[in-house]
Amino acid sequence: GESVGLHLPTLSVQEGDNSIINCAYSNSASDYFIWYKQESGKGPQFIIDIRSNMDKRQGQRVTVLLNKTVKHLSLQIAATQPGDSAVYFCAENIDAGGTSYGKLTFGQGTILTVHP
Amino acid sequence: DVKVTQSSRYLVKRTGEKVFLECVQDMDHENMFWYRQDPGLGLRLIYFSYDVKMKEKGDIPEGYSVSREKKERFSLILESASTNQTSMYLCASSLVGGGNYGYTFGSGTRLTVV
Repeated sequence: GESVGLHLPTLSVQEGDNSIINCAYSNSASDYFIWYKQESGKGPQFIIDIRSNMDKRQGQRVTVLLNKTVKHLSLQIAATQPGDSAVYFCAENIDAGGTSYGKLTFGQGTILTVHP
Repeated sequence: DVKVTQSSRYLVKRTGEKVFLECVQDMDHENMFWYRQDPGLGLRLIYFSYDVKMKEKGDIPEGYSVSREKKERFSLILESASTNQTSMYLCASSLVGGGNYGYTFGSGTRLTVV
């Protein structure tokens, strides 16, 4: 089916470690992917995005990897800090030939907990 | 620099009341969305609008309606609130065109129906 999901619902790491959050998608027509971070009591915030014509994109301390062969997306956070503790969502946009109006489909989310 | 503003952070309403949730964006975005977020269910799309006075049903429109009279404002209406509509409601907006499909979210409204 057309869905976006996560392999692990929770992830606990020590401060300073690198974190990897994974996401699987099933629709080969997906052309755009986004990672969002949601802190407790707040709305989701954009972290980083990647288009389907790319394999990797880097931001500040974050890297997104896209493997279209196995329909897998990951978010890597370097030197994880306590402030990174949050729920992380992946989202995909399915290319529907211009009729999708930019409507994203969201995964369930992974809870990242960073221990000092 | 808040770009998507939801009028209330917390609301408590009684069963049967008519409830209005307001959302305003200042980015001149064409698309606006209303989601509800519940533990274990993720983000579920209620309604979206791609232009003024235009609306489309999302995945769970039952019990809700929307209004978009101006480009910057998208209102979610619970015609007769019920306890199963207790949830976090998130508004978002996005541009259309240019391959930019990212959403900007508001801070959310936590609604409790008693």
